Amino acid sequence: NAGVTQTPKFQVLKTGQSMTLQCAQDMNHNSMYWYRQDPGMGLRLIYYSASEGTTDKGEVPNGYNVSRLNKREFSLRLESAAPSQTSVYFCASSPLSGQGVGNTEAFFGQGTRLTVV
Amino acid sequence: GEDVEQSLFLSVREGDSSVINCTYTDSSSTYLYWYKQEPGAGLQLLTYIFSNMDMKQDQRLTVLLNKKDKHLSLRIADTQTGDSAIYFCAESTGNFNKFYFGSGTKLNVKP
Repeated sequence: NAGVTQTPKFQVLKTGQSMTLQCAQDMNHNSMYWYRQDPGMGLRLIYYSASEGTTDKGEVPNGYNVSRLNKREFSLRLESAAPSQTSVYFCASSPLSGQGVGNTEAFFGQGTRLTVV
Repeated sequence: GEDVEQSLFLSVREGDSSVINCTYTDSSSTYLYWYKQEPGAGLQLLTYIFSNMDMKQDQRLTVLLNKKDKHLSLRIADTQTGDSAIYFCAESTGNFNKFYFGSGTKLNVKP
C-alpha cells in the first residue's frame, strides 16, 4: 500500500530557481494538504484542497502555488525560491470533503527536504 | 490561525512513564490528535480524542482532555527506547479540512 507518495525526497535549489514538488495518494481521499516543518515551529499549513478542482490558502501561502490536478495529485510550486523556503515539506491527505462529520485522520508522506542556497 | 502549544523537549528513563502536555486556544476544537514522527519520516497518528470525552486509553497510551483549561496530555506507560520520537499535538475544528499542529515535543528515552 503506497499511501501518500512525495517526490523528490531531497532537493537543493539556487535562489531564484523554480521547482514543483509532487504528491500523489492512492486512498481515494478528497482532501489534500501541503505543510512545511521548521525547527521549533511544528507544521504550518501552506495550502489545502478540499476536493478536486478547489484550493485554499493556509497559514503561510506566500511564495507558493498549488494545483489539484485530479483527485490523486496535489502539487506545490515554488516560482522563485528563496532561502526562507528552506524546510521539510509534507504532503498529507484525509477522507473528508467540506464540512465533515465524524473523525478523520491525516495521512502523511515521507517529506521532501528542500534547501535553497 | 489557532494556537497549539507544547514544550519542546522531554527526557525520561526506560520503564518510566512519560507525560507530554499540550494547550490549545480554540474552544470550538472538535477533535484532538497525537501524532508521532520518527527521524526522517512523516507523521503517524497515534491516537485521537473527541472533544466531548475527557479520557481515552489505548494500550500504553492514555489521553486526558481538560476542556475547561484547553489542556491535552499524552501519557505513555512503561516508556521504551523505541518511543523516542517527536510527538505532535493537533486539533481540528468546525472546518474539518484544517488541522493545526503544535511545535512538537522531542521525547528522549534513556536506557
